[in-house]
Amino acid sequence: AQTVTQSQPEMSVQEAETVTLSCTYDTSESNYYLFWYKQPPSRQMILVIRQEAYKQQNATENRFSVNFQKAAKSFSLKISDSQLGDTAMYFCAFILIQGAQKLVFGQGTRLTINP
Amino acid sequence: DTAVSQTPKYLVTQMGNDKSIKCEQNLGHDTMYWYKQDSKKFLKIMFSYNNKELIINETVPNRFSPKSPDKAHLNLHINSLELGDSAVYFCASSQVFSNEQFFGPGTRLTVL
Repeated sequence: AQTVTQSQPEMSVQEAETVTLSCTYDTSESNYYLFWYKQPPSRQMILVIRQEAYKQQNATENRFSVNFQKAAKSFSLKISDSQLGDTAMYFCAFILIQGAQKLVFGQGTRLTINP
Repeated sequence: DTAVSQTPKYLVTQMGNDKSIKCEQNLGHDTMYWYKQDSKKFLKIMFSYNNKELIINETVPNRFSPKSPDKAHLNLHINSLELGDSAVYFCASSQVFSNEQFFGPGTRLTVL
């Protein structure tokens, strides 16, 4: 079975700072995708960034980038120049390419950006 | 314009009642899902349908019954509601074998 672990229940940084959210996962499969989802107070689930496991290059989306370490099964999210609107719950998630197409989520990290 | 919609957004009901949550997607996707987010914010898959056929059924009580009248709709019916059913229920959809799932706005169910 696949599991995803986010070891930081809460984090807080000042606006404009850089913050890194940690995620580790466990699977015996080699073909999968990893995601970071953002859930603001509106509770809408918003896809922030995705990484294909077969790609060595780390994904980036504007101020968001990941550090994907496949051997270590680690997938951290870096938010640069953090903004007040980044305040949200962040979920790391995993999905296999083959087999049951279900997202497996971590427990979430509550990120607060302070002015 | 809404890609994945759910009704209602909020549902407050008494223990023992039966209720339904509806989900519709206009993305032309083949696969739809129900996820449950508990009070600690933990999200877990409940069901998945592909072209009206059930393909994922996690260990969910029999009181929960999904129904897919067509591939654009996936409804969730809950019988004999219990206090522990209080949660946010998310519908999602994707193309078959696509990695990206699109989520609805969620339905907050409160059982009193």
